[in-house]
Amino acid sequence: DTEVTQTPKHLVMGMTNKKSLKCEQHMGHRAMYWYKQKAKKPPELMFVYSYEKLSINESVPSRFSPECPNSSLLNLHLHALQPEDSALYLCASSEPGTAGEQYFGPGTRLTVT
Amino acid sequence: GENVEQHPSTLSVQEGDSAVIKCTYSDSASNYFPWYKQELGKRPQLIIDIRSNVGEKKDQRIAVTLNKTAKHFSLHITETQPEDSAVYFCAATTWGGSYIPTFGRGTSLIVHP
Repeated sequence: DTEVTQTPKHLVMGMTNKKSLKCEQHMGHRAMYWYKQKAKKPPELMFVYSYEKLSINESVPSRFSPECPNSSLLNLHLHALQPEDSALYLCASSEPGTAGEQYFGPGTRLTVT
Repeated sequence: GENVEQHPSTLSVQEGDSAVIKCTYSDSASNYFPWYKQELGKRPQLIIDIRSNVGEKKDQRIAVTLNKTAKHFSLHITETQPEDSAVYFCAATTWGGSYIPTFGRGTSLIVHP
């Protein structure tokens, strides 16, 4: 299984809502990533988990809160978002410890109203 | 940190022509260079990659070349087809607590039938 899955596919939320994005992979990868992508722009790294521990936080606002419950799952908890946070949120996984391919999920299209 | 420049931002070709996309990077420690293709509304997908100990790699109509001395790498697509139309991102991967790709700004390739 070389697939990364993400739910939901689409999410519309108000600025006062709390929601969560979910990501799952069954490739045995021990590095997982959250990216934010605006239209026609490259993915922008938000967080990296390596062996279920947060290894990189790219100065992301605290309204985004990541969680890695186990080696297969990655969540992104959202609270009090702003309209400018509307974007495609991509999860990816890879083997840690060696530079190699990142496998991307299909993304969650988030709209903040 | 790493900085990746990608050119051109838009490339328009006729079906059957060749297309070349060029990237430069700044960190000599970068050792893995993937190319991702992203169709509209879909996830980035790896199409070819190259490691720093290799100068050229080919996979059917797609090839990548790397010049470590000059710190640049290029994607070559021959006999382009309309289904090659997409946004292409180059990346340079280096260690920063985890192996992290730094993406170029992307090239929108349009292949006219």
